[in-house]
Amino acid sequence: NAGVMQNPRHLVRRRGQEARLRCSPMKGHSHVYWYRQLPEEGLKFMVYLQKENIIDESGMPKERFSAEFPKEGPSILRIQQVVRGDSAAYFCASSPSKTEAFFGQGTRLTVV
Amino acid sequence: AQSVSQHNHHVILSEAASLELGCNYSYGGTVNLFWYVQYPGQHLQLLLKYFSGDPLVKGIKGFEAEFIKSKFSFNLRKPSVQWSDTAEYFCAVTPVGDYKLSFGAGTTVTVRA
Repeated sequence: NAGVMQNPRHLVRRRGQEARLRCSPMKGHSHVYWYRQLPEEGLKFMVYLQKENIIDESGMPKERFSAEFPKEGPSILRIQQVVRGDSAAYFCASSPSKTEAFFGQGTRLTVV
Repeated sequence: AQSVSQHNHHVILSEAASLELGCNYSYGGTVNLFWYVQYPGQHLQLLLKYFSGDPLVKGIKGFEAEFIKSKFSFNLRKPSVQWSDTAEYFCAVTPVGDYKLSFGAGTTVTVRA
């Protein structure tokens, strides 16, 4: 059973471009969570999704950020018009229910 | 909202030395507690967790942690580290029944051969 797969591992974007981060949960997991780790800080919760539904997006910035988890395919975290402050590591986690979460390797976004 | 504090940002020690990483949290209710580890280039993985019962929890790779409720602490220990324990360690907390993990800033552990 493959773990949580995130791609790309590293992403470089110029200011104003769009960033798309992908997360394939573990087989059988229908709950997906996104976390962001800014430099020198701990991971911070962003959003919790189940298939086709956003359950809790209380940690998402109000603008430019969106997330989806379609019926087919990976979960996508989308950041429009990136700014330098968006540079961070973005972690995805999945779980079969609201219990222990299994994390991916993370995507390191660098905005230049 | 709960917060998590990890006492050390970077710890450097020699092989066979003992390791203790501090973790304190602030939250008035009942919590579930976790330690995660991220080895270089790998995913974040669970070392151990505490939900209830014996406050001394044993995890993988010889790690253990002790939950001291009165001190709001969940310190991680390993009696004798190896070079392969070089990694970043994160303490995390969530209220019982919740799914949002609150993480500490992490401690980078470097073990010298």
